[in-house]
Amino acid sequence: EAGVTQSPTHLIKTRGQQATLRCSPISGHTSVYWYQQALGLGLQFLLWYDEGEERNRGNFPPRFSGRQFPNYSSELNVNALELEDSALYLCASSREGLATDTQYFGPGTRLTVL
Amino acid sequence: KQEVTQIPAALSVPEGENLVLNCSFTDSAIYNLQWFRQDPGKGLTSLLLIQSSQREQTSGRLNASLDKSSGRSTLYIAASQPGDSATYLCAALSGGYNKLIFGAGTRLAVHP
Repeated sequence: EAGVTQSPTHLIKTRGQQATLRCSPISGHTSVYWYQQALGLGLQFLLWYDEGEERNRGNFPPRFSGRQFPNYSSELNVNALELEDSALYLCASSREGLATDTQYFGPGTRLTVL
Repeated sequence: KQEVTQIPAALSVPEGENLVLNCSFTDSAIYNLQWFRQDPGKGLTSLLLIQSSQREQTSGRLNASLDKSSGRSTLYIAASQPGDSATYLCAALSGGYNKLIFGAGTRLAVHP
C-alpha cells in the first residue's frame, strides 16, 4: 500500500511569489492535514481538510490556504511569500476525521524562499 | 492551551543501552498521544499511538506509557542500536479539531 506522497520534494521561490504544494493521501483516507516545520519553531499545525471541507486551521495568516479535491488529494497555497515561510511542509492523512485515527505523514516538501 | 515538552533535548549513548525519553503535556484532556521518529530532512514515521483510555503500547523494542493525571508519557527503547539514531517527537491530540501539538523533540545518537 502506497504511503502519503508529496510533491515537489524541493521548491525554491523568491519573496512575493506564490508556492503550491501537493499531497496525495493513503488510499481510503479522507482526512488530510498540513504542518509546517520551520527551523527553531518545531512542528506546527496549519490546516485540516476532511471530505472536501476545511475543518480547522492553525495560527497562520490568510496567505496560507488550501483545498481538498474530490479524490481527497490536497493542495497548500502560500501567497506573497516571505523569508520566514522557508520550512519543511509536511502532509498527513488519516482514515477518517476521528480523533482516534493515526495520522500518517508524507516525506515533506522543502520550501526555500530567497 | 496545550503545550508539550520533551526532555532531554539531546541524548548520546553507546549501543545496547536501554533508554527513556520523556514527554509532558499541560492539558490532561487529550484524545491520544503519539510518538514519531524523524530522520534528518525527512518526514515523520509513526511509532506508537496511545489512546486516552490506554496506559501503554508496545511495538518490538519500543514501549510507550501514558499517565494522563500527571501529564506525562515516556518512550522506552530497549537495547538501543545505531539505527535508532533519529529525532523522536511526541504529539498530543486534544481539544477536538484533530490538531496534533508537538514537542520540540529529543535528538538521539546511538554510537557503536
